[in-house]
Amino acid sequence: GDSVTQMEGPVTLSEEAFLTINCTYTATGYPSLFWYVQYPGEGLQLLLKATKADDKGSNKGFEATYRKETTSFHLEKGSVQVSDSAVYFCALSLLGTSYDKVIFGPGTSLSVIP
Amino acid sequence: DTGVSQNPRHKITKRGQNVTFRCDPISEHNRLYWYRQTLGQGPEFLTYFQNEAQLEKSRLLSDRFSAERPKGSFSTLEIQRTEQGDSAMYLCASSFVKYTEAFFGQGTRLTVV
Repeated sequence: GDSVTQMEGPVTLSEEAFLTINCTYTATGYPSLFWYVQYPGEGLQLLLKATKADDKGSNKGFEATYRKETTSFHLEKGSVQVSDSAVYFCALSLLGTSYDKVIFGPGTSLSVIP
Repeated sequence: DTGVSQNPRHKITKRGQNVTFRCDPISEHNRLYWYRQTLGQGPEFLTYFQNEAQLEKSRLLSDRFSAERPKGSFSTLEIQRTEQGDSAMYLCASSFVKYTEAFFGQGTRLTVV
């Protein structure tokens, strides 16, 4: 079935370090890919998205590229800040198809220390 | 309209009681989704509506759970005879058929004691 796998956390980084969170997916058809972020005590916020192969989604210094050949969508940021501490969820969407839903990975918790 | 709204934000109930949650989607969105998120896990799909029609239900949605979306606007999720295992965050999301992403509400955190 359709699924998303992402690297296990928690991940702890020092401020200004480079961040990579790996994400791979299995999907029927041609999904859109997303990264959602959940700050402590809050709901899910869409961080970035990519809807077709080789698309790069970017927002707030975060980037991820849709790699169809490796079925991956890794999240990167060149210099993390304390305010980036949150849980990050990779997700795929089959909205608009007969499989209409968003499927999430288990989440990766990030803590950035000063 | 500033986004998906869920009420209440928190609910504490005794085991065996019934609870009902409400979700108001973004006004022009015709699709509405319910998810459940337990601590340390990603959200799990429960059910979704297109307008007032409930088109899919996950096997996670036992017969104690029922969801409705009368008139294709707001939706309610009811849990009957709550159990401690129902303790979770219940998330609602909405989308419009032309868009690929869903927008999530803040969630309702249920604690069954």
